[in-house]
Amino acid sequence: GAGVSQSPSNKVTEKGKDVELRCDPISGHTALYWYRQSLGQGLEFLIYFQGNSAPDKSGLPSDRFSAERTGGSVSTLTIQRTQQEDSAVYLCASSLEAQGRNIQYFGAGTRLSVL
Amino acid sequence: GENVEQHPSTLSVQEGDSAVIKCTYSDSASNYFPWYKQELGKRPQLIIDIRSNVGEKKDQRIAVTLNKTAKHFSLHITETQPEDSAVYFCAAPRHGSGNTGKLIFGQGTTLQVKP
Repeated sequence: GAGVSQSPSNKVTEKGKDVELRCDPISGHTALYWYRQSLGQGLEFLIYFQGNSAPDKSGLPSDRFSAERTGGSVSTLTIQRTQQEDSAVYLCASSLEAQGRNIQYFGAGTRLSVL
Repeated sequence: GENVEQHPSTLSVQEGDSAVIKCTYSDSASNYFPWYKQELGKRPQLIIDIRSNVGEKKDQRIAVTLNKTAKHFSLHITETQPEDSAVYFCAAPRHGSGNTGKLIFGQGTTLQVKP
């Protein structure tokens, strides 16, 4: 079946512009995560959605970042008034937390470049 | 747990040698520990995971060991091959997440296997 799909794969924008990044999780997966990975760095947690529960936004770096998940499926990460330090690869992952395991399936990411 | 420390940050071995990467965690309630492999330019993928009710798990050339008392777990790769070259991330559940929910990732280990 289809894996986690992210779009666009690459996004170049000018400083100050807003961007929207999209994630289509694996069908049936109740959990969805957004991470940020700067060049050569680790996976920085941003936000976590689980079913109908309120999202855990504790990783969002500033109020310029927001995300929503409509209908328990597709998610959009929005960055307002982009800054150069927002340049990174934004990874989305989904999982079906079952049987004591949380296997996260990652998308290919969106590479964001803020000029 | 809330904090996951991973060592070393880089590791270079000769083909055929073994490689060991170690992670420590802070939350004694953590009970699920996955390892992800990220090849250059690719998405992270789960390679092995372990639950806290076992001390070791093996899958062909890779194995993970867990020491709950010391709160550390390690990835062991035997008979390394050039295709093992990648960045490896350990992870543990965020405090209070048990074995599901958010994962805290280590900073990654860049493994280079020299032919």
